[in-house]
Amino acid sequence: DVKVTQSSRYLVKRTGEKVFLECVQDMDHENMFWYRQDPGLGLRLIYFSYDVKMKEKGDIPEGYSVSREKKERFSLILESASTNQTSMYLCASSRLAGETQYFGPGTRLLVL
Amino acid sequence: KQEVTQIPAALSVPEGENLVLNCSFTDSAIYNLQWFRQDPGKGLTSLLLIQSSQREQTSGRLNASLDKSSGRSTLYIAASQPGDSATYLCAVWRNNFNKFYFGSGTKLNVKP
Repeated sequence: DVKVTQSSRYLVKRTGEKVFLECVQDMDHENMFWYRQDPGLGLRLIYFSYDVKMKEKGDIPEGYSVSREKKERFSLILESASTNQTSMYLCASSRLAGETQYFGPGTRLLVL
Repeated sequence: KQEVTQIPAALSVPEGENLVLNCSFTDSAIYNLQWFRQDPGKGLTSLLLIQSSQREQTSGRLNASLDKSSGRSTLYIAASQPGDSATYLCAVWRNNFNKFYFGSGTKLNVKP
């Protein structure tokens, strides 16, 4: 079974802090994705990556950056956290683009 | 722009009932369509993926159909159980856009 893990289930941070969310997959997938999920807005794509050191902006990249130094790990960075970044963050991976996506359990981030 | 709509937003049924969840999309140039299940506070679990060339896919009590020309998909759940209670999301992968477009989901409650 594919396993996607995220570093934290819950996080509480202060405005202005730098926040790191980590995602690890164990199935040698090429593609990894970061989404945020908000009530009434659904899932929105922040960034995705097709390969190590490759990244592409999604629909809402502002205020975020990503890093993929190793194939199995995809990190989402909030450079200076703001209250409007309070959300559920979901990581996903897939073998190839357009194939089944496997999701991690999510990180619920609260920015005070 | 691809828009994905799921109606109804919420559905409550008694245990044992057969039910249909609906998903519609505005652009028929899709590569595939995927149905997911999400339990409260958790990540998404892939249920079924239908390629654009397919008409339906089945897994246990679940059957998903796709009518690409009319921009519709249905998820049929047979003999519903309380354990089926969750939010069901559909997502379409659009040709040349390299991302899934998600619907906002149908929240299903199966009453014992």
